[in-house]
Amino acid sequence: EVQLVQSGAEVKKPGESLRISCKGSGYSFTGYWITWVRQMPGKGLEWMGRIDPSDSYTNYSPSFQGHVTISADKSISTAYLQWSSLKASDSAMYYCARQIAVALSGGYYYYMDVWGQGTTVTVSS
Amino acid sequence: EIVLTQSPGTLSLSPGERATLSCRASQSVTSRYLAWYQQKPGQAPRLLIYGASSRATGIPDRFSGSGSGTDFTLIISRLEPEDFSVYYCQLYGSSRYTFGQGTKLEIK
Repeated sequence: EVQLVQSGAEVKKPGESLRISCKGSGYSFTGYWITWVRQMPGKGLEWMGRIDPSDSYTNYSPSFQGHVTISADKSISTAYLQWSSLKASDSAMYYCARQIAVALSGGYYYYMDVWGQGTTVTVSS
Repeated sequence: EIVLTQSPGTLSLSPGERATLSCRASQSVTSRYLAWYQQKPGQAPRLLIYGASSRATGIPDRFSGSGSGTDFTLIISRLEPEDFSVYYCQLYGSSRYTFGQGTKLEIK
């Protein structure tokens, strides 16, 4: 079974650092990009960025560039999302998802087919 | 940057009725890059439709997607109790993804 399993809920203080994880199983981890999506309380989904685990190439949404770092360790099939200095506004649910980029009839299709269960991050003094 | 606008914001219907959800892009897009997701409270999103009209694995055939250019539609032909949740459209383009703001489908 293809799965993405995320690390558990975190409670941090402003200014602290944090790294959350997303472990893939049941498929070739280096064959698919991993994306990260933020959902603030009661709000919609926001794409943060993605990583190609095969070479750790990343690209970010302009809204998140410079505020978070996405990385991966292909040896343990795990992707990471990290902050060096958290703010209260970082409090949210964070999801990782597997990106599909597949060539079918007519060209490439892009979507996210498997999602992690989410990691709640709470930043409060 | 392309913006996706979903309407209505909230849709109130009864089980058995037909639901029509709209997703409009601020400029013409490639339909192969348009997907729909369902999110139930406390759960991660679930892929419903990719390529604007292809159902994902395991998705019931009461869910269908259509559209091209700037206008896309998700139709749920006969609402089941488990279908009442939030639905998002999503677009891939310029090496990034954009989500619509979501439509909440609630029981009338």
